[in-house]
Amino acid sequence: AQSVTQPDIHITVSEGASLELRCNYSYGATPYLFWYVQSPGQGLQLLLKYFSGDTLVQGIKGFEAEFKRSQSSFNLRKPSVHWSDAAEYFCAVANQAGTALIFGKGTTLSVSS
Amino acid sequence: SAVISQKPSRDICQRGTSLTIQCQVDSQVTMMFWYRQQPGQSLTLIATANQGSEATYESGFVIDKFPISRPNLTFSTLTVSNMSPEDSSIYLCSGSFSGNTIYFGEGSWLTVV
Repeated sequence: AQSVTQPDIHITVSEGASLELRCNYSYGATPYLFWYVQSPGQGLQLLLKYFSGDTLVQGIKGFEAEFKRSQSSFNLRKPSVHWSDAAEYFCAVANQAGTALIFGKGTTLSVSS
Repeated sequence: SAVISQKPSRDICQRGTSLTIQCQVDSQVTMMFWYRQQPGQSLTLIATANQGSEATYESGFVIDKFPISRPNLTFSTLTVSNMSPEDSSIYLCSGSFSGNTIYFGEGSWLTVV
């Protein structure tokens, strides 16, 4: 069965510092991978997705993610974090295009000044 | 990005009652899904809403408790029946749009007292 692991429950970074959120998946074939962000009291907003092609994908709000098949990873990065980035981040995977997503447990990002 | 509207956005309900959540998308989607997010938790798939036929439920979720309708390609409802405090959650609707991108509504925040 598919699974998604986000090893870090809570991360704190200083404003302006770089960020990397980890995501590992378990699936035999090439998965469909997503990152979503949920701000307090809000729904989920899609940051970026990977289906195929270039393994480095760019998303909204200055985020990017890199798909590494050999490591079964899809880590999210941002070069300079802003206080408004404080939120819950979810990595998700689907085994086929357009099918339901399996979510990781999420990583809470706090930003210190 | 696509627009998915959910009603109600929030509600406080008495135990033993039922509540129907509506989900409207701004364009036709191939697949629609309902998720539950319990307090401080990740998202769990309840069911896939199939147009014109019975929904496909995940393990642990049953039609008597969570009846779902999908009369057309842009609308679906989820009813939470005979509610108990354990049903206090965020219920999120999502849809698979062109390009196999999955977007979410803002969620319906349900508190059962």
